[in-house]
Amino acid sequence: AAGVIQSPRHLIKEKRETATLKCYPIPRHDTVYWYQQGPGQDPQFLISFYEKMQSDKGSIPDRFSAQQFSDYHSELNMSSLELGDSALYFCASSSKDRHYGYTFGSGTRLTVV
Amino acid sequence: KNEVEQSPQNLTAQEGEFITINCSYSVGISALHWLQQHPGGGIVSLFMLSSGKKKHGRLIATINIQEKHSSLHITASHPRDSAVYICAVSSMNRDDKIIFGKGTRLHILP
Repeated sequence: AAGVIQSPRHLIKEKRETATLKCYPIPRHDTVYWYQQGPGQDPQFLISFYEKMQSDKGSIPDRFSAQQFSDYHSELNMSSLELGDSALYFCASSSKDRHYGYTFGSGTRLTVV
Repeated sequence: KNEVEQSPQNLTAQEGEFITINCSYSVGISALHWLQQHPGGGIVSLFMLSSGKKKHGRLIATINIQEKHSSLHITASHPRDSAVYICAVSSMNRDDKIIFGKGTRLHILP
């Protein structure tokens, strides 16, 4: 069965650069959630989208923005990268009623040097 | 008190041992997930449960909705099972939030 696809798997950027992470939910899922997990840290909720509209916002820095497109994939745009942005960024998708829980992507590991 | 509690926090065992990791939660849920994360690695979904029991290879997951408790079992453990195992729930009480346990760090010695 198709899973949530994230790209790239790994990304290395320098300070002050920009990065774009992508998340493709499974078919029929209309909701996408983004999480950031720093080294040894719990996952932190960043932002979520339902039907291409932002549905909730967590601890997402102002330097980051995200959107969901008509095919329900989502992109997380990160600018002016800082060393502290190094983390695993993973997304999860669900249908709005969440009767079947979430499907998790494996994540993008971002390293800022 | 966390809404999702895992135990133990850390577990070291010998290769071949039967492993049990527990997860208790205090909220109403629509589903519970067991996730695996190797050091420096990404998220791997092991199971999604809403009732009963599931088995995949050497892994077994059970859930008791009445007791709000789930267990993940690993039979014939192997050093490659060494990872962090995370319990996560989709809550019916909180809008659009996944609630994560703090994980159990498992180390299997050869």
